[in-house]
Amino acid sequence: GAGVSQSPSNKVTEKGKDVELRCDPISGHTALYWYRQSLGQGLEFLIYFQGNSAPDKSGLPSDRFSAERTGGSVSTLTIQRTQQEDSAVYLCASSLRPVGQETQYFGPGTRLLVL
Amino acid sequence: AQSVTQLGSHVSVSEGALVLLRCNYSSSVPPYLFWYVQYPNQGLQLLLKYTSAATLVKGINGFEAEFKKSETSFHLTKPSAHMSDAAEYFCAVRVIQGAQKLVFGQGTRLTINP
Repeated sequence: GAGVSQSPSNKVTEKGKDVELRCDPISGHTALYWYRQSLGQGLEFLIYFQGNSAPDKSGLPSDRFSAERTGGSVSTLTIQRTQQEDSAVYLCASSLRPVGQETQYFGPGTRLLVL
Repeated sequence: AQSVTQLGSHVSVSEGALVLLRCNYSSSVPPYLFWYVQYPNQGLQLLLKYTSAATLVKGINGFEAEFKKSETSFHLTKPSAHMSDAAEYFCAVRVIQGAQKLVFGQGTRLTINP
């Protein structure tokens, strides 16, 4: 079956612009996660959705970052007024349920470059 | 708080040699542990996971890992390296409260020499 998909695969933007990153999870997966992968910080958690609710936003680095999920499916991560330090690969993952042994399946990521 | 440490940011082995990638965890409760592999410009792919069913876990592509509680380790091994194993490998522990997020180690880049 189809895996997690993300779009765009690459995004180049100018400092100060807003960007939207999209994630399509595996059908039927209730839990959705956003992570960021950067050279300096490694892989770090950003936000978690259970259904359309985001009970854990603790990893969002600033109020310029926001995310939503609609219909218990597609999620959008928005970065406002982008900064050069936002350059990273943004990874989305989904799992059938948010429990310990469930596998999180990752998408290919969106590579963001802020000039 | 749960965390993992991967010893060695770079490991280089010859084709056909044993692969050993080290991971130590910190957790006050029985952990769920995962190994993921990342090929260039791709996302993360699950190699294997420990969920307390068995201490020796077999995964894809001939990899396996052994959970050792006494050593708080979950090292990844493969008896004979193949050129296609060249990639970055991440060990992760699942935080069992709240979001059940994954906390990753810093990764180990594996290079295979012909």
